[in-house]
Amino acid sequence: EVQLVESGGGWVQPGESLRVSCAASGFIFSRHWMTWVRQAPGKGLEWVANIKEDGSDKYYVDSVKGRFTISRDNAKNSLYLQMNSLRVEDTAVYYCAGGVQEMWAWGQGTLVSVSS
Amino acid sequence: EIVMTQSPATLSVSPGERATLSCRASQSISSNLAWYQQKPGQAPRLLIYGASTRATATPARFSGSGSGTEFTLTISSLQSEDFAVYYCQQYNKWPPEWTFGQGTKVEIK
Repeated sequence: EVQLVESGGGWVQPGESLRVSCAASGFIFSRHWMTWVRQAPGKGLEWVANIKEDGSDKYYVDSVKGRFTISRDNAKNSLYLQMNSLRVEDTAVYYCAGGVQEMWAWGQGTLVSVSS
Repeated sequence: EIVMTQSPATLSVSPGERATLSCRASQSISSNLAWYQQKPGQAPRLLIYGASTRATATPARFSGSGSGTEFTLTISSLQSEDFAVYYCQQYNKWPPEWTFGQGTKVEIK
């Protein structure tokens, strides 16, 4: 069974940093692009970033470029999102998802709250 | 940026009835469209990709159609477990700048 389990969310103040993680199981992690999608409270979905199987290609939505970094550790079957210079508008549930175009598996999400 | 517009925002349907959800792209996206279902407190779930291909475990009562800029998700006979929010998502150009519609909530009439 495919499982994606996010962790690392929490409350931070504007300008601070946070790293969220995603542990993958039930599929060959190293053979799949992975994606982060976020959802602000009561709002819709927003694609954030994705990363190639070997980590060599990474893409970001404009609003996080230069602040967020997606990475992966295939030996640990883990996906990461390092978030720096966090803003109030980054407050959201962050979902880890499998796939590069359509997202075929999703984790349960981890909440990141940014406020003063 | 490709803007995805879903209509209606809310659809009130009785169990057993047919539901038709629309998604429009601001420019042609060929068939590079996916549909997701999200229930309260849960993660989204992939239903349809390639505009019309059902994902694994998607019941046959769900069907997708369209290409270019106009797309439709049809639920032929609504079951109680189908009341949820549905999102469309485009994945047309490379490098990726994927965008979602704002969602359609399907509620019990």
